[in-house]
Amino acid sequence: EVQLVESGGGLVQPGGSLRLSCAASGFTFSSYAMSWVRQAPGEGLEWVSAISSSGGVTYYADSVKGRFTISRDNSKNTLYLQVNSLRAEDTAVYYCARERWLQSTPDYWGQGTLVTVSS
Amino acid sequence: AIQMTQSPSSLSASVGDRVTITCRASQGIRNDLGWYQQNPGKAPKLLIYSASSLQSGVPSRFSGSGSGTDFTLTISSLQPEDFATYYCLQDYNYPLTFGQGTKVEIK
Repeated sequence: EVQLVESGGGLVQPGGSLRLSCAASGFTFSSYAMSWVRQAPGEGLEWVSAISSSGGVTYYADSVKGRFTISRDNSKNTLYLQVNSLRAEDTAVYYCARERWLQSTPDYWGQGTLVTVSS
Repeated sequence: AIQMTQSPSSLSASVGDRVTITCRASQGIRNDLGWYQQNPGKAPKLLIYSASSLQSGVPSRFSGSGSGTDFTLTISSLQPEDFATYYCLQDYNYPLTFGQGTKVEIK
């Protein structure tokens, strides 16, 4: 069974940083591209970032480029999102998701971790 | 970035109704489109990929169609568990972009 479990969210002041993690199990992690998607309270879904299966290629939404960094450790079956220079508008539930084999459609999702940016 | 325009933003329907949600892309995206269902406080669930392919385990009352710029999600006979919010997503290129969502409510 595919499982994705996010952690690392919390309350942080504007300008602060966090590292989000996503532990994967139930599939060959190193074979799949992965994405982060977020959802602000009461709002729709926003794709944030993606990384290729090897980690060699990364993509970012314009809203986070230069502030967020996606990475992965295939030996630990773990995906990361380093979030820096946080703003109030980054407050959201952050989901990690596996992308379908040879496609970019996220198919399996974690339960999400809440990041709240507030003073 | 490709813009996805989803309509309607909400609709009211009864159990047993046929429901249609549409999504329009700002440029051609072949059939690189997915549909998701989300219940409150839960993660999105993939229903349809490649515009018309049913994800494993999803009931056959869900179907998708379209290619290029215009896409449709149809629920043939609405069930109580289908009252939720639905999103389209283009995965033709990065940045991936979602539609604004359609909330399906009980009439």
